[in-house]
Amino acid sequence: DAGVTQSPTHLIKTRGQQVTLRCSPKSGHDTVSWYQQALGQGPQFIFQYYEEEERQRGNFPDRFSGHQFPNYSSELNVNALLLGDSALYLCASSAQLANYGYTFGSGTRLTVV
Amino acid sequence: GNSVTQMEGPVTLSEEAFLTINCTYTATGYPSLFWYVQYPGEGLQLLLKATKADDKGSNKGFEATYRKETTSFHLEKGSVQVSDSAVYFCALRVTNAGKSTFGDGTTLTVKP
Repeated sequence: DAGVTQSPTHLIKTRGQQVTLRCSPKSGHDTVSWYQQALGQGPQFIFQYYEEEERQRGNFPDRFSGHQFPNYSSELNVNALLLGDSALYLCASSAQLANYGYTFGSGTRLTVV
Repeated sequence: GNSVTQMEGPVTLSEEAFLTINCTYTATGYPSLFWYVQYPGEGLQLLLKATKADDKGSNKGFEATYRKETTSFHLEKGSVQVSDSAVYFCALRVTNAGKSTFGDGTTLTVKP
């Protein structure tokens, strides 16, 4: 049973460009959350998708947007990239009605130059 | 707002030593508490959880007890191994499937 799959694993972009990161949740999970993890810090919540809608949002600007598809997979889009957007982006899946922890993907390492 | 504070690292221990990593939290409502582990180059893995006061989560020799009176969820292991070397994150979540708030992580290095 595949866990959470993220692509790509690494990405280098130039300031001002746009990027799309992708996530396939664990089988049986219907909720996808995105986190940004800067070097040496804990993950920071970006937003969460359930039933193809953004349900919760953290303290991130509108340059960060997302989407969830009918098969529960999700995309994270970041526009007008800044150097400070360089980080590990983690996708975490869960089941909406179950009270257990996330299953995380291995992340996408984004470097903005 | 919600917050999690972990003891600062890094922590370096010899194999078979006793481990404690402190975690305290501030939350509105009644959170569920979690410990995650992150190995180099990987995402986070759920290590253990507790959903209500006095619950004890345990997994792979690690334990943590949900202490509401001291708002703490300290991670312990009686005898660490080299393979336990990783970064450990304490986290809380107030609502089912809602967002989680993480601490900054504690790096553990176990030497043979």
